[in-house]
Amino acid sequence: EDQVTQSPEALRLQEGESSSLNCSYTVSGLRGLFWYRQDPGKGPEFLFTLYSAGEEKEKERLKATLTKKESFLHITAPKPEDSATYLCAVRGSGGSYIPTFGRGTSLIVHP
Amino acid sequence: NAGVTQTPKFQVLKTGQSMTLQCAQDMNHNSMYWYRQDPGMGLRLIYYSASEGTTDKGEVPNGYNVSRLNKREFSLRLESAAPSQTSVYFCASSSGQGSYNSPLHFGNGTRLTVT
Repeated sequence: EDQVTQSPEALRLQEGESSSLNCSYTVSGLRGLFWYRQDPGKGPEFLFTLYSAGEEKEKERLKATLTKKESFLHITAPKPEDSATYLCAVRGSGGSYIPTFGRGTSLIVHP
Repeated sequence: NAGVTQTPKFQVLKTGQSMTLQCAQDMNHNSMYWYRQDPGMGLRLIYYSASEGTTDKGEVPNGYNVSRLNKREFSLRLESAAPSQTSVYFCASSSGQGSYNSPLHFGNGTRLTVT
């Protein structure tokens, strides 16, 4: 069974204070690891897909990295508008194409 | 493009009432999904449809039924609502079963309260 654990559950940062969110996963044959952003009252919005260890993707102040056991979402010099819940999901090759989601990290960036 | 559209946005039901949540996507996606999201529980899959004409149970299907009306539309029905079904419901779509690298695209949810 695929499993995804995100940490921390909640993170408070000051504007400009860089940090990282963690997504640890257990999957039989990783087909893809996905990061989403969810704003209050909205549905999750797709950010990145990572496929293999060593891969990195960037978008503005966000950079996602992948190892064989975990992924990090690095936030550089965050701004208050980066405040959201960040979700991680994995798809494995174990038979089901349904992604498994973590419970998310709630990020608040104070001005 | 509207992406994934869900209606209604908000709904209040009394215990025992029934209702149907509607979902439509305009991305020509093959697969569609219904999730519920509760505090501390994350996203839990209720039902999904790999392609038009097929539906399958997810993690928490009890108390729900679905209909894949056509390629665009996937509805979720609560036959007899219970307070435990108070939640935020999200519909999502993706390119298809054969596309493991295709992300899910979500609607903005239906906030349901059952009293």
